[in-house]
Amino acid sequence: GESVGLHLPTLSVQEGDNSIINCAYSNSASDYFIWYKQESGKGPQFIIDIRSNMDKRQGQRVTVLLNKTVKHLSLQIAATQPGDSAVYFCAENIGTGGFKTIFGAGTRLFVKA
Amino acid sequence: DTAVSQTPKYLVTQMGNDKSIKCEQNLGHDTMYWYKQDSKKFLKIMFSYNNKELIINETVPNRFSPKSPDKAHLNLHINSLELGDSAVYFCASMGQDYGYTFGSGTRLTVV
Repeated sequence: GESVGLHLPTLSVQEGDNSIINCAYSNSASDYFIWYKQESGKGPQFIIDIRSNMDKRQGQRVTVLLNKTVKHLSLQIAATQPGDSAVYFCAENIGTGGFKTIFGAGTRLFVKA
Repeated sequence: DTAVSQTPKYLVTQMGNDKSIKCEQNLGHDTMYWYKQDSKKFLKIMFSYNNKELIINETVPNRFSPKSPDKAHLNLHINSLELGDSAVYFCASMGQDYGYTFGSGTRLTVV
């Protein structure tokens, strides 16, 4: 399944399928990007990050892709599990004027058993 | 041990009241933040402190006043609470790798 984070805020996938969550970021000067996972009743939790000098980074079952040309970020989750159900946020770090992280709107992922 | 702890977890109060939310981190991080998450899950930065010094102050009503007595603590005081202040408030700290560790949030309901 695939979703554009800002336009399709909900993604439903079958357990075992791969998930792709997309995000468009706003600032071409951003040099560091992070994906966070937020489960119900909890704070966002760091999943994976990528610096602007890379276009791909892999973790355990997750891969982040960065396309700076079109300011696009994606999170791929392999073999999606029920425990992956959560809201996923992309975030960009802007280092000027005080270090801060700007969050995207979030995409809710439902995993159907 | 909880890395970033916020209290209280839930706060229900009447309009016009003054309330505080406390945050403590035991990670040794220098930078701490307050974020506000609305009903649509949008996370908006409010304040950031680095070693007790305010470094980020977004467009937030001056009814909101952060205080950092030391680098492990960042509290948020809100005066004259309004209905629109209802949200979940998250404290976070940032380490050397620039990733955040968030607290579990404080759900504020103004009635």
